[in-house]
Formats: sequence, structure tokens, C-alpha cells
Amino acid sequence: SQQGEEDPQALSIQEGENATMNCSYKTSINNLQWYRQNSGRGLVHLILIRSNEREKHSGRLRVTLDTSKKSSSLLITASRAADTASYFCATVPGMDSSYKLIFGSGTRLLVRP
Amino acid sequence: NAGVTQTPKFQVLKTGQSMTLQCAQDMNHNSMYWYRQDPGMGLRLIYYSASEGTTDKGEVPNGYNVSRLNKREFSLRLESAAPSQTSVYFCASSETGRNYGYTFGSGTRLTVV
Repeated sequence: SQQGEEDPQALSIQEGENATMNCSYKTSINNLQWYRQNSGRGLVHLILIRSNEREKHSGRLRVTLDTSKKSSSLLITASRAADTASYFCATVPGMDSSYKLIFGSGTRLLVRP
Repeated sequence: NAGVTQTPKFQVLKTGQSMTLQCAQDMNHNSMYWYRQDPGMGLRLIYYSASEGTTDKGEVPNGYNVSRLNKREFSLRLESAAPSQTSVYFCASSETGRNYGYTFGSGTRLTVV
């Protein structure tokens, strides 16, 4: 079973616009991570936010975490055509003694030139 | 380039055939993982190895076996392939501990006919 569920499943925006993707999860977590996957490629780690953090930035990426609502959002500002990819959230469950990540089903982002 | 290397990139098997997917990392990571990715379902963990000499089942281990050959290499074996194992397989590695992102290989696209 998957821990995270991304919303929306697909998103199409114009270049220059901001893209927001949401992730909800079911159980307590140690941290939440976001990954990008270009078509036909492996996943690339974007950003990690710990359970005691509320917001984190990396370049044009902004991630928020609300543990009371068990949700996170990924904001990509000033999007570019090269941002076209699938984006996945993944969690490390808080009660799990191992470090394995549980992935959501992803959001497909299309940035139109 | 440093990272995770998977071989082969593509494979077609007949039902009942066996094969081994190879994975090697050169980042001196202790932990390694095998995931499968099916359309619309994100990634599901098959097996993982928290450290050299240990392996544990993930969410979908049936029909698979693994070997952590040494710290660098973690192989996935299909003893008797079934059409349900048609998928894209990803190997990943990470530092030990919960607050590290994963580094993924580029994947093996397997079709079982």
C-alpha cells in the first residue's frame, strides 16, 4: 500500500507560471522527500523536509509540511519547459526502524513553452 | 560518473525463464533497495539491504530473490518470470540513517511474454 497520495495526478501550466503539487500521507513520518522523474529516466532527489520542519527552500523549489494535516506541498516557481516531469513524494514512516521510503503515485507536470 | 549503475537496460523474457538484474553503486553507501514501477502506481519496494550481509523483504517480494554480494552490489533475481512481473525496475542506494535521500539508477525495463 502506498503512504503518499499526490494531487493533482496531472497538471498543465504555461512556462513562467508557478506549479503547486500536494501530497497527503497516512501515518506519522520521520521525514518527507520529493523526487523528480523525467520520462524514461530514474528518480532524482529534490528536497527532504524533516517532521519538525515546516518549510524548506531549494532554488525555485519551496516545500511545506503540515504534520497536523499529514500533508505537504511542493511549489515550483517560474516554471520552465525543462521542469516537465513526474514528481513523487515519499515518506520515511516514523515508527519504522528501517530507512525505507514509501512512494506516492506521482503528479505529471507539463510545462508548455 | 558516480552513481548507481543498472544492467541490463532492457530485457524481454518468456514466461518461466529466469534472470538476474544487476546493480552497483560507487558512493560507499551502506543501504541499497530494489523497487518496481508500474503505470499509475508509483514505486513499490521489493527488497532492501540496510547493510552488507543483510536483506529484508519490502512490500512486494513474492517471485523475487536478492543477493547483497558486497557493499557495492545488490542483485535481484527472478527465478521463474511471470507476465505480472512486467515492469520497470529501479535500484537505489543511500547513506545509513533516515534523513538521507536516495540515489537511483536509470532502471531496467522488463517485459515478460
